[in-house]
Amino acid sequence: GQQLNQSPQSMFIQEGEDVSMNCTSSSIFNTWLWYKQDPGEGPVLLIALYKAGELTSNGRLTAQFGITRKDSFLNISASIPSDVGIYFCAGQPSNDYKLSFGAGTTVTVRA
Amino acid sequence: DARVTQTPRHKVTEMGQEVTMRCQPILGHNTVFWYRQTMMQGLELLAYFRNRAPLDDSGMPKDRFSAEMPDATLATLKIQPSEPRDSAVYFCASGLGRVRAFFGQGTRLTVV
Repeated sequence: GQQLNQSPQSMFIQEGEDVSMNCTSSSIFNTWLWYKQDPGEGPVLLIALYKAGELTSNGRLTAQFGITRKDSFLNISASIPSDVGIYFCAGQPSNDYKLSFGAGTTVTVRA
Repeated sequence: DARVTQTPRHKVTEMGQEVTMRCQPILGHNTVFWYRQTMMQGLELLAYFRNRAPLDDSGMPKDRFSAEMPDATLATLKIQPSEPRDSAVYFCASGLGRVRAFFGQGTRLTVV
């Protein structure tokens, strides 16, 4: 089963708004990854985080690796219609290569 | 443009038939993952390999699923016999060590 708790499950936002979602784990991770999936496609990697406290941006996306190493968040600034999709967090523990996924956050943008 | 290639993209089969899904990882990547995605369960890790050796296949139903890497350029996931509950999208992803994992476009399997 899933080790990661991702929230919120879904969100409706107005174009231009900022979006925030987060992921928590019961165990310590060495790597946090954020993906976006469009219908009929595979997940596409957005941001990768490898160090506690790390803050990384990719255009309008910003993600942080929590200090406790048990959480991460993703922010999308000034949302646009093409931000619609499902966003997944994924984590890799320190003693394993296993990559586990959260249940996803479905983002719908109202124009 | 390096990418993970999965074949077939779509497969419809009758219950009881054998299904084989193939994945060509990105050249040079040494870690390969197989995931199954359904509405109910989300992305479930079925198995993963490092340097072609299976590290963990605890996510797979052992009696009917098998995963192999005959060589560094090919990973296979086989279901025999297939059942309707196996209907899902199956994804392969590859990565290099602890670096990011890249996904293929998936195989949409329908078992009738």
